[in-house]
Amino acid sequence: QSVLTQPPSVSGAPGQRVTISCTGSSSNIGAGYDVHWYQQLPGTAPKLLIYGNSNRPSGVPDRFSGSKSGTSASLAITGLQAEDEADYYCQSYDSSLSDWVFGGGTKLTVL
Amino acid sequence: QITLKESGPTLVKPTQTLTLTCTFSGFSLSTSGVGVGWIRQPPGKALEWLALIYWDDDKRYSPSLKSRLTITKDTSKNQVVLTMTNMDPVDTATYYCAHSLVVPAAPQDNWFDPWGQGTLVTVSS
Repeated sequence: QSVLTQPPSVSGAPGQRVTISCTGSSSNIGAGYDVHWYQQLPGTAPKLLIYGNSNRPSGVPDRFSGSKSGTSASLAITGLQAEDEADYYCQSYDSSLSDWVFGGGTKLTVL
Repeated sequence: QITLKESGPTLVKPTQTLTLTCTFSGFSLSTSGVGVGWIRQPPGKALEWLALIYWDDDKRYSPSLKSRLTITKDTSKNQVVLTMTNMDPVDTATYYCAHSLVVPAAPQDNWFDPWGQGTLVTVSS
């Protein structure tokens, strides 16, 4: 059971907008620690998608955006494309565990 | 351009010790603020952070695995080594190393970027 809770799966048609939630608690996201997001394409290593809650690294399309509020964070993907089909993970720090923690991952299916 | 690559055995027996090496380029682990972490992913499962070593030799371990892990660095060789003792079949996973930077005003707000390609380690007799 992951400390950060994500929906196991989400789906959307090409061109649509989808959001992936990451729910934590008062010892991680709610304590003010940043949330970062990673995209893992099938058979590959994770790639940083969003850092510091809402910042995109160079090269990441602006179709991807992140936000954080209270004990939760969200990743939004607009203009869904077939190549967005992947697993997505959120990551933060938990002060109770003294651990960097990841969410359980969300599989995005493009219909 | 920063690159990292993991190396080590693909198969270990239960109770054995696993030694993995991360060889990197494009940065120096003697530069202030720089770190290298290890993260693993069992087949079909989520990511799990294991350990992190900083430029000043500060070391952090996952509390649940701390007794079994040791992370070291060889700055001259641009390598970071992770050892995990008493391996068990549940430790079967792809092991990744990744570059990390300290966020000056928020040292726990590290993220991992980029990652190595990963190496699959199977624990079986």
